[in-house]
Amino acid sequence: QKEVEQDPGPLSVPEGAIVSLNCTYSNSAFQYFMWYRQYSRKGPELLMYTYSSGNKEDGRFTAQVDKSSKYISLFIRDSQPSDSATYLCAMRPQGRMSGSRLTFGEGTQLTVNP
Amino acid sequence: GAVVSQHPSWVICKSGTSVKIECRSLDFQATTMFWYRQFPKQSLMLMATSNEGSKATYEQGVEKDKFLINHASLTLSTLTVTSAHPEDSSFYICSATFHNNEQFFGPGTRLTVL
Repeated sequence: QKEVEQDPGPLSVPEGAIVSLNCTYSNSAFQYFMWYRQYSRKGPELLMYTYSSGNKEDGRFTAQVDKSSKYISLFIRDSQPSDSATYLCAMRPQGRMSGSRLTFGEGTQLTVNP
Repeated sequence: GAVVSQHPSWVICKSGTSVKIECRSLDFQATTMFWYRQFPKQSLMLMATSNEGSKATYEQGVEKDKFLINHASLTLSTLTVTSAHPEDSSFYICSATFHNNEQFFGPGTRLTVL
C-alpha cells in the first residue's frame, strides 16, 4: 500500500466550477502538508503549505487537513482554464532527522473547460 | 515564493556522453537540494538528497556512479548523468529548501539521449 493515495483523474470541469482534490495517507507522523501545481513540461509550483490539522485559504484556493482521518483536500473556487494542470499533494514528518524529504501523491490531472 | 533555476532547460545528447545539469537557488541559501526524475504522466521520483559540503544520499535503486551530484555551495548543486543511454531520457527536476522549510522546485530539464 502506498503511503499517499491520490486519485489520478483525469478530472474535467466547466469553467466556474468548484474543484475538490483529495489525498489520503497512512503515516501518522506526517505533520506538514503541501499542494503543488504542475503545468505540462514545467516544475511543480508550491500552492499551499500547511502544518497539522486545519484550514488555510489563499485567494481561490483552500487547503484542508484532517489528521484524525488522514485526509487532505484542496478546493479551487471559480475555476479557470488557467487552472488546468496536474495537482500534486505532498507531505512530510516533523523533525530534523527526517529532513525535508517529501512523499508525493500520484498527481491529479485537472482540465477546466471554457 | 523563492526562485530556483535550472540549466539547461532541455538537452539532447548522443548515447555514451555525459551531461551536466545545474540547479541554483537565486534568492535564498539552500541548505538542502533534491534531485527528482519524472516520466510522462507519473509523479516525481526522488533520486537523491544533497546537503551543502557533504556527499549526496541516494535513494535505493539509483546508481550513484551514474548520477553524480555535487553541492558545492549553498546556492548551487549539479547533477551529472555519466555515459548517458536512451533509458536515461527523462525530465529531471531539482528542488531546494532552507532548514526544512518549504521546498521550491526548479523548472526542470528535459534530457533526450539518442
